[in-house]
Amino acid sequence: DIHVTQSPSSLSASVGDRVTITCRASQGITNYLAWYQQKPGKAPRSLIYSASNLQSGVPSRFSGSGYGTDFTLTISSLQPEDFATYYCQQYNTYPLTFGGGTQVEI
Amino acid sequence: EVQLVESGGGLVQPGRSLRLSCVTSGFNFDDYAMHWVRQAPGKGLEWVSGVSWNSGSIGYTDSVKGRFTISRDNAKNSLYLQMNSLRPEDTALYYCAKDLGIAAAGIDYWGQGTLVTVSS
Repeated sequence: DIHVTQSPSSLSASVGDRVTITCRASQGITNYLAWYQQKPGKAPRSLIYSASNLQSGVPSRFSGSGYGTDFTLTISSLQPEDFATYYCQQYNTYPLTFGGGTQVEI
Repeated sequence: EVQLVESGGGLVQPGRSLRLSCVTSGFNFDDYAMHWVRQAPGKGLEWVSGVSWNSGSIGYTDSVKGRFTISRDNAKNSLYLQMNSLRPEDTALYYCAKDLGIAAAGIDYWGQGTLVTVSS
């Protein structure tokens, strides 16, 4: 199975800050990586697929990059509504696997 | 508008069975892979199982292999998860999720979830 490690597990930032979350896969997954946002008590929301492609309706302050084993999610200017937990997921091989999550506190 | 509506959750004793359903609308169901993802109380997301558009490719997380069975009925635009030999550690909110492609390509839509509680 491919293991996915996210870091940090939590972070505190201010409105307007640039925030970066990293995700590392235990083996190469080309660009088969997605990012999701989840707010308390809500279903997850899809943000990015294929490592760098924004889902429809996602603000342009979100961006993703990476290939192979190392990936990043960047929020260029943090907004109050970005308080949430963020997860990465690899879909290169079954079983699909999620990272442990990064809680972003404003 | 894409809609995914789960049902079938509830309180069940260890060792018993439960069948989850997900009725979908707003897209061509038979053009997309589908998944079940769960979240235990206070924990992160865990992918449970996925099925390709034509059921030709199916996968499970290791902890449910041999106990859970995913299936789909393209004529009814519905996804199912048959859960047997349930354990307390299966307690979670179970989400139905639509894939971007015919096989695993990332999830783009999520349902609101159905809660499964395994307890005596």
